[in-house]
Amino acid sequence: DARVTQTPRHKVTEMGQEVTMRCQPILGHNTVFWYRQTMMQGLELLAYFRNRAPLDDSGMPKDRFSAEMPDATLATLKIQPSEPRDSAVYFCASGFSTTGVTYEQYFGPGTRLTVT
Amino acid sequence: QKEVEQDPGPLSVPEGAIVSLNCTYSNSAFQYFMWYRQYSRKGPELLMYTYSSGNKEDGRFTAQVDKSSKYISLFIRDSQPSDSATYLCAMSAANYGQNFVFGPGTRLSVLP
Repeated sequence: DARVTQTPRHKVTEMGQEVTMRCQPILGHNTVFWYRQTMMQGLELLAYFRNRAPLDDSGMPKDRFSAEMPDATLATLKIQPSEPRDSAVYFCASGFSTTGVTYEQYFGPGTRLTVT
Repeated sequence: QKEVEQDPGPLSVPEGAIVSLNCTYSNSAFQYFMWYRQYSRKGPELLMYTYSSGNKEDGRFTAQVDKSSKYISLFIRDSQPSDSATYLCAMSAANYGQNFVFGPGTRLSVLP
């Protein structure tokens, strides 16, 4: 049963601390997405990679967020320093596409982040 | 005005009812339309994906797009308690790339 896994599932941290979230995409998928979901803003795309190359990170606050794919089985999203407004559920999703837009995306269970 | 509007609900229906979930949008360039189901504390799951206008059916689910009215619908026939979830619509245009615009979601409860 192939699925996207994310760790940690929950994270509570104090303002100013570094937060690292990890994602293992489905084996064989070449496109990985990071989303953030809040009650106020809904689901928003933060960044995505294809074949490990970053294609778009325009949805991320550049000064504090960074996303990387050190290898095909791991994607990371870091926040440094974290702020209370970063409290949200962060989803990783993966899919496969050779060109164009990936419509069929498989979401992980999310990391629920609370910054106090 | 938000690009995509969706009644947040909650919408409560008895088991077996036909459910109609709707989204309206303002950007006439949208041509790709998706419906996601999200169970509580889980990630969204793609249910249906349609291009341009018309209907698409998959089992108990039918997606309908009316571009002239900027209105999309998801119909669920013979609704089951397991359909209780939040339903998100999402849309995109040719120049949006992967930046889908998601609706806020409608929470559905199907009562046994």
